Amino acid sequence: EPEVTQTPSHQVTQMGQEVILRCVPISNHLYFYWYRQILGQKVEFLVSFYNNEISEKSEIFDDQFSVERPDGSNFTLKIRSTKLEDSAMYFCASSEPTFNTEAFFGQGTRLTVV
Amino acid sequence: DAKTTQPNSMESNEEEPVHLPCNHSTISGTDYIHWYRQLPSQGPEYVIHGLTSNVNNRMASLAIAEDRKSSTLILHRATLRDAAVYYCILRDVSSGNTPLVFGKGTRLSVIA
Repeated sequence: EPEVTQTPSHQVTQMGQEVILRCVPISNHLYFYWYRQILGQKVEFLVSFYNNEISEKSEIFDDQFSVERPDGSNFTLKIRSTKLEDSAMYFCASSEPTFNTEAFFGQGTRLTVV
Repeated sequence: DAKTTQPNSMESNEEEPVHLPCNHSTISGTDYIHWYRQLPSQGPEYVIHGLTSNVNNRMASLAIAEDRKSSTLILHRATLRDAAVYYCILRDVSSGNTPLVFGKGTRLSVIA
């Protein structure tokens, strides 16, 4: 069964460093999303991406965040200068280019900022 | 965003049916009702969705009230693997594939 793949599974970084979280969505999907989940809290929407541009973003997704689809398979989330409060589980999701279809989520990347 | 209300937690015995309620009294005509679940240490997983009619799939059934102000996710026979947080989400489709907005969900415990 096709799945969304995220790497690395766990990343530790020092405060102020840049990190790139990587995702390989399901191959025929055209909608891509990033979510985060701080430990013990709810899953929060960050950004959605379609047709090579951001289609929607939340208040959390400020200038420190950016997304990119550098090639035909990868979808990345970059955090320019990490803060302690960026420590969270980050989930990538993708869905087909059809109306109201289900989203498939990856297993997540646990980001720890020290 | 239209909001949903779910109990914080529920408990079920293994192999018994489970009915997970969700209230969405401010639902609009373009809101679909989606259910996702999150198993421990995993990403969310799609369960089922519907608009007005009851829906069945291999995982669960979704019963939607006639006035659409509430719905119930039914797991016909709970297993230990069904222990998860279940999210009821309203998705407005009037402007395309809008992102899913997760609430706190219902934490389902299954007792052997």
